[in-house]
Amino acid sequence: DGGITQSPKYLFRKEGQNVTLSCEQNLNHDAMYWYRQDPGQGLRLIYYSQIVNDFQKGDIAEGYSVSREKKESFPLTVTSAQKNPTAFYLCASSMGPGPLYEQYFGPGTRLTVT
Amino acid sequence: AQTVTQSQPEMSVQEAETVTLSCTYDTSESDYYLFWYKQPPSRQMILVIRQEAYKQQNATENRFSVNFQKAAKSFSLKISDSQLGDAAMYFCAYYSGGSNYKLTFGKGTLLTVNP
Repeated sequence: DGGITQSPKYLFRKEGQNVTLSCEQNLNHDAMYWYRQDPGQGLRLIYYSQIVNDFQKGDIAEGYSVSREKKESFPLTVTSAQKNPTAFYLCASSMGPGPLYEQYFGPGTRLTVT
Repeated sequence: AQTVTQSQPEMSVQEAETVTLSCTYDTSESDYYLFWYKQPPSRQMILVIRQEAYKQQNATENRFSVNFQKAAKSFSLKISDSQLGDAAMYFCAYYSGGSNYKLTFGKGTLLTVNP
């Protein structure tokens, strides 16, 4: 089955620790995205990547980092510099960048930092 | 900057009835795209319907249709013959037709379907 995998579903970390969220897709999509969702809020874009070895900051990139070494993988690292890291994180992919290509979303990871 | 506003935090509808969810947006662009996404309790986002701003005809997908009023910058979603499986959070989203490849989301409307 083609799709997007995010693991784990729930993640707990202590304050001051970096943590990496996994996102893998087997849809052969070129573009991948990371969104953050807070209660009562819509999704906000953290980073996106149009092709391998290239990525751009979204609206709320501070305190986050990404890599895109393989087409199918786009891991997100939440660093200790992120002031409020507790949130629901969604990864998405699309065949190409831009509005003509539907974004497909993964099941998300709930990160709790205490 | 583009903004998307959903003025109804919660809505409810009886099964088999029709409900309309509201969305307004602010933009100075003429080329853009609008979307409605559904987020059920599983929290996985699912595309419901999309509308290209240059198209005058309102998009329709089975029981889901939109009322796109470009001059008023309004993009409402109508769900006909509501089903229990329609219960979810619904997000309106805007996508610029330019080189800024990002979706801007509203805060969502929680739809409850009563049996």
